[in-house]
Amino acid sequence: DAKTTQPTSMDCAEGRAANLPCNHSTISGNEYVYWYRQIHSQGPQYIIHGLKNNETNEMASLIITEDRKSSTLILPHATLRDTAVYYCIVRVVNYGGSQGNLIFGKGTKLSVKP
Amino acid sequence: DTGVSQNPRHKITKRGQNVTFRCDPISEHNRLYWYRQTLGQGPEFLTYFQNEAQLEKSRLLSDRFSAERPKGSFSTLEIQRTEQGDSAMYLCASSHTARPTIYFGEGSWLTVV
Repeated sequence: DAKTTQPTSMDCAEGRAANLPCNHSTISGNEYVYWYRQIHSQGPQYIIHGLKNNETNEMASLIITEDRKSSTLILPHATLRDTAVYYCIVRVVNYGGSQGNLIFGKGTKLSVKP
Repeated sequence: DTGVSQNPRHKITKRGQNVTFRCDPISEHNRLYWYRQTLGQGPEFLTYFQNEAQLEKSRLLSDRFSAERPKGSFSTLEIQRTEQGDSAMYLCASSHTARPTIYFGEGSWLTVV
C-alpha cells in the first residue's frame, strides 16, 4: 500500500503557483520523497525528489518539513499543460545498493484553469 | 530519443490469445521495471530486473504472465491466454543503481475483446 496521503483533486488558476501537499507521517530515515506526474494516457514523468533538504529544479520546488512527515510540491507558474495526476511516493534509496520500487497511490488530480 | 521505448503502443487481441510487449530501457540502465495501470488507478508494480536477473515479482504477476530480460538489455512481457481483465496499460521503466531515479516509457495499451 502507498505510504502517502494526498488530496484527491485540486484546482489552480493559470499563471498562479500550484501547491500540492503530501503527508508521509511514517517515513523512515532512508526513504526519499519522490514526485511524478502523469498526463492523460502517457507514462509517469519524473519531477523531483528529496530526502530532507528543500530541492528545486527547472520543473518544480519540493519543500519538506523539518520532521519529514509532510511535503509540498510547488509549480511556480502553472500552465494548462500542467493539468495531470501528481503522485507523491516515498521510496528507500541506498545509492549503489538496495532500492525500493515505486508504490503509487491514487495521486492528486490537478486541474489548471484559464 | 534516448528515453524508455515500448512496443507496440497499442494492441487489440481476442480473449485467449497470447501477446508480447517489448521494452528497451535507457542505455546503460541496469534495472528494468514492469508496471500495470488500469483506468482510474495508479500504476501497480509487477516485476523488476537487475541486469538479466528477475529479482522481485508481485503477486499480481499470475502464472499467465512471464517477463524476461535475457541479455540484460531489452525486456519482454508475455501474457498467455489473455482475459478481459488483462486490459490495461503496461508500463516499462528503467534506472541505474548509481543514479536511482526511475524513468518510464509511454506505455503499451492492451485491449482484450
